[in-house]
Amino acid sequence: DVKVTQSSRYLVKRTGEKVFLECVQDMDHENMFWYRQDPGLGLRLIYFSYDVKMKEKGDIPEGYSVSREKKERFSLILESASTNQTSMYLCASTWSGRTVEYFGPGTRLTVT
Amino acid sequence: LAKTTQPISMDSYEGQEVNITCSHNNIATNDYITWYQQFPSQGPRFIIQGYKTKVTNEVASLFIPADRKSSTLSLPRVSLSDTAVYYCLVAPPDSNSGYALNFGKGTSLLVTP
Repeated sequence: DVKVTQSSRYLVKRTGEKVFLECVQDMDHENMFWYRQDPGLGLRLIYFSYDVKMKEKGDIPEGYSVSREKKERFSLILESASTNQTSMYLCASTWSGRTVEYFGPGTRLTVT
Repeated sequence: LAKTTQPISMDSYEGQEVNITCSHNNIATNDYITWYQQFPSQGPRFIIQGYKTKVTNEVASLFIPADRKSSTLSLPRVSLSDTAVYYCLVAPPDSNSGYALNFGKGTSLLVTP
């Protein structure tokens, strides 16, 4: 079974803190994605990566950055957390050329 | 990527068949149609994928007419545990580089006794 894990299920941070969300997949997938999900807005793509050290902006990249130093790991960074970044963050991965994504369990981040 | 339109919400009673239709008028020749299911506080889970006609698996059936401008996810005899949000996506496989799948708001299905 494909396994996508995220470093935390729940996280509480203060405004202005630097926040790291980590995602690891164990299936040698080329593509990895970060989404955020908010009530009434569905899933929105923040960033994705199709190879090590490669990244592409999604629909809402402002306030976020990403890092992919190893194929299995994709990190989402909030340089200076703000309250409007309180959300559920979902990581996903897939093989290149495939259209089915495998999702992690999500991290519910609260910024106070 | 092709834009998709689905109903925001649907209600059903247990034991009924539920059909959720997704419109994708500008679907491209090499696009596939994929449906996901998401329960509260969990990531979406792949249900079914198809290109044309009909696809069936142990969970659902997917009906795609000849013009491929819409698709219908059919859930037979739903139970309370089928209460979830269902997303329809249309996207091409891309063997050369990454691509971004854009999920919309999905259809929130509520199954009641």
